[in-house]
Amino acid sequence: GNSVTQMEGPVTLSEEAFLTINCTYTATGYPSLFWYVQYPGEGLQLLLKATKADDKGSNKGFEATYRKETTSFHLEKGSVQVSDSAVYFCALRKGGGADGLTFGKGTHLIIQP
Amino acid sequence: NAGVTQTPKFQVLKTGQSMTLQCAQDMNHNSMYWYRQDPGMGLRLIYYSASEGTTDKGEVPNGYNVSRLNKREFSLRLESAAPSQTSVYFCASSVSTGTGGTEAFFGQGTRLTVV
Repeated sequence: GNSVTQMEGPVTLSEEAFLTINCTYTATGYPSLFWYVQYPGEGLQLLLKATKADDKGSNKGFEATYRKETTSFHLEKGSVQVSDSAVYFCALRKGGGADGLTFGKGTHLIIQP
Repeated sequence: NAGVTQTPKFQVLKTGQSMTLQCAQDMNHNSMYWYRQDPGMGLRLIYYSASEGTTDKGEVPNGYNVSRLNKREFSLRLESAAPSQTSVYFCASSVSTGTGGTEAFFGQGTRLTVV
């Protein structure tokens, strides 16, 4: 079956540090890949996505590249801010399916001033 | 821009009680989903509805039932609540396409405690 593995936190960084959150997946076929962010007390918001190999998704300074050869979709940001503190979820969705997203367990990111 | 609206936001139930969580979306999406979020477990799919009139089990359906009332509304029912159902419940919706590349939009969640 499909699965998503991401580094578990909490990950604590200082403001302006470089961020990498690793995500790898197992899936048949060619899934679409997503990063969602959850701020305290809120629902999940889409951060970025990529739908095919070598696509790069980007938003709000965050980037992730769909690497089929390594089945990875690592999230990066060059300079984090305190406001980036949140829980980040990597997820996949099978092509052609309306049967929902498969999520990783989430990575809690804490940015210290 | 309401998006996906869930009610209630908080609920405390006694073991054995029943309740229905309500979800409505105003984006004209075909597909709707119910997830539960537990610490260290991420989000797990309970049930989904690919289109109006259809529902299917997800990863963790035991103890739950769903109803796709119309295109907008998708409810989740706990017939006899158990402490193991203490969780945060999220409803989501998405457009269904053949490529699967469309994202899901989430509600704000319902925090349910069963005592």
